[in-house]
This record gives sequence, structure tokens and C-alpha cells, in this order.
Amino acid sequence: KNEVEQSPQNLTAQEGEFITINCSYSVGISALHWLQQHPGGGIVSLFMLSSGKKKHGRLIATINIQEKHSSLHITASHPRDSAVYICAALYNTDKLIFGTGTRLQVFP
Amino acid sequence: DAGITQSPRHKVTETGTPVTLRCHQTENHRYMYWYRQDPGHGLRLIHYSYGVKDTDKGEVSDGYSVSRSKTEDFLLTLESATSSQTSVYFCAISEERRFYGYTFGSGTRLTVV
Repeated sequence: KNEVEQSPQNLTAQEGEFITINCSYSVGISALHWLQQHPGGGIVSLFMLSSGKKKHGRLIATINIQEKHSSLHITASHPRDSAVYICAALYNTDKLIFGTGTRLQVFP
Repeated sequence: DAGITQSPRHKVTETGTPVTLRCHQTENHRYMYWYRQDPGHGLRLIHYSYGVKDTDKGEVSDGYSVSRSKTEDFLLTLESATSSQTSVYFCAISEERRFYGYTFGSGTRLTVV
């Protein structure tokens, strides 16, 4: 049983739209990762957070520990944002569980 | 990715043959990891290393062994490849703390026929 759930599984958007990808986890965690997997397969770490919010360029990640929920937002989306976005929850500092990813396609 | 390379990038092998995948880093990071990625599953940890000759099993370690004789190299060996081990394998590194601050390699696509 995967202890990390992402939604939606697939997402399409028009260029310029505001994007939200959601991640829920089942029990208390010590940190949460957001990763981006490019169409060519390479994986890049975007954020690691344990509370509050982090921002990098047009990407914003938030986490609500009480609600066991994290979101990744993309402002002013662009076709180059098309990728699979993966969240991963770190439980008790020794077990990192990955979600199955959200496939995002942004059309011009 | 800069500082971490995997080889080979692609490999096709026959059932029952041994296969070794290599992960090489130039970052001098303490932790190295091997993951496999399969459709419908998140990345799953096979083995990881927390120093030279120090390794531990992950959640899907059966059929795999690892070795780390130097800080920069982490080898993953399939002693006798099976079709269920067809997958994309990713190596990752992290510096200070286990499971924090990952850098991933580009992946190795392994097909066992």
C-alpha cells in the first residue's frame, strides 16, 4: 500500500494557467520532497520542506502538517513545465515513500 | 546530472545472466541510493550506502546486491537477471542526511529478455 497519494494523475493546461498538484500522506512525516521528471526521464529535486511554504521562480510548494497535505503550484505555466511531478514523504527520517506522479502537459 | 553519472544508459540482457550497473559521483557525498521505477509504482528503494563498505537494504532488495569500495562508486548487481527486473534504475546521492537533498542520475533502462 502506497502511503502517498497524488492527484490528479494527469493534468492538461493552456499556457499561462495556474497549476495545482496535490499530495496527501497517511501519517506524520519529517519532510516532504517535490521532484520533477522530464520527458527524457531525468529527475530533478525541486523542493524539500517540513513546514510552511517555499518558492523558487514560478514554483511554490506548501505543506499543511495538520491536514497531512502538500501542494505544488506553478504560476504562469509554460509548455516547458510539461513533466511528471512526484512527491515523496519521509517517515520517521528513515523511510522515503514516493507517489506515482502527476503527468502535466501544458499546451501553447 | 552534473556530478553523478550512471552506466550503461541502456542494456538488454538475457534471463539468468549477471548484470552490474554503475553509479559514479564526483560530489564526495556520503549517501548513495539505488531505486527502480516501474509503471504504476513510485520509485522504490533497492539498497543504499552510508559510507564505504556500509550498505543497507531497501524495500525491494531481493535479487540485488550492492558494493561500495570507494566513496565515488556504488555498484548494483543482479546476480541472475529475471524478467521482473526489467525496469528503469536510478542512482541518487545526498550529502549530509539520509533521504535529504537528493541529486539523481539520468537512469539506466534495463530490459531482461
